[in-house]
Amino acid sequence: DVKVTQSSRYLVKRTGEKVFLECVQDMDHENMFWYRQDPGLGLRLIYFSYDVKMKEKGDIPEGYSVSREKKERFSLILESASTNQTSMYLCASSHQGAPSYEQYFGPGTRLTVT
Amino acid sequence: AQKITQTQPGMFVQEKEAVTLDCTYDTSDPSYGLFWYKQPSSGEMIFLIYQGSYDQQNATEGRYSLNFQKARKSANLVISASQLGDSAMYFCAMREGRWDMRFGAGTRLTVKP
Repeated sequence: DVKVTQSSRYLVKRTGEKVFLECVQDMDHENMFWYRQDPGLGLRLIYFSYDVKMKEKGDIPEGYSVSREKKERFSLILESASTNQTSMYLCASSHQGAPSYEQYFGPGTRLTVT
Repeated sequence: AQKITQTQPGMFVQEKEAVTLDCTYDTSDPSYGLFWYKQPSSGEMIFLIYQGSYDQQNATEGRYSLNFQKARKSANLVISASQLGDSAMYFCAMREGRWDMRFGAGTRLTVKP
């Protein structure tokens, strides 16, 4: 079974703090993704990575950065957290060779910025 | 412009009945993939079913089937014999290229006993 894990299920941070969200997958997938999920908006792509040290901006990269130093780990960084970054954050991974490129998701991190 | 549209914010169905969740999409790419995911209250997104744009037959996975109407650009999910455990948010998604995945806003399904 594919396993995607995220470092925290719930996180509370203060405005201005630097926040790290970690994601690890154990299936040797090349692609990894970070989404945020807000009610009525579905999932929106923040960043994705198709290889170690490679990253591409998604639809809403402002205020975020990412790091992928190892194939299995993809980190999302909020440089200076703001209240409008309160959201559910979902990490996903996929295999480049799969015909469907189906994405497997982690359990999510619910971040509250106060 | 919206790439994926789910027009039903909420749906109710009686246990053991079938239900159809609507999804329309917009793309000019001839090669694309369509997905449905289920998100229970626990938060994890669970993959349900996939349809490739070149697939001739509608995809089926157990009680789930995808009603793919290419000319109408619709990819409705049909759940047969609903169970209480089917109560969840359901998301339709479309992949263009190898990693560009777009999600709809979701439909909250409630199964009544």
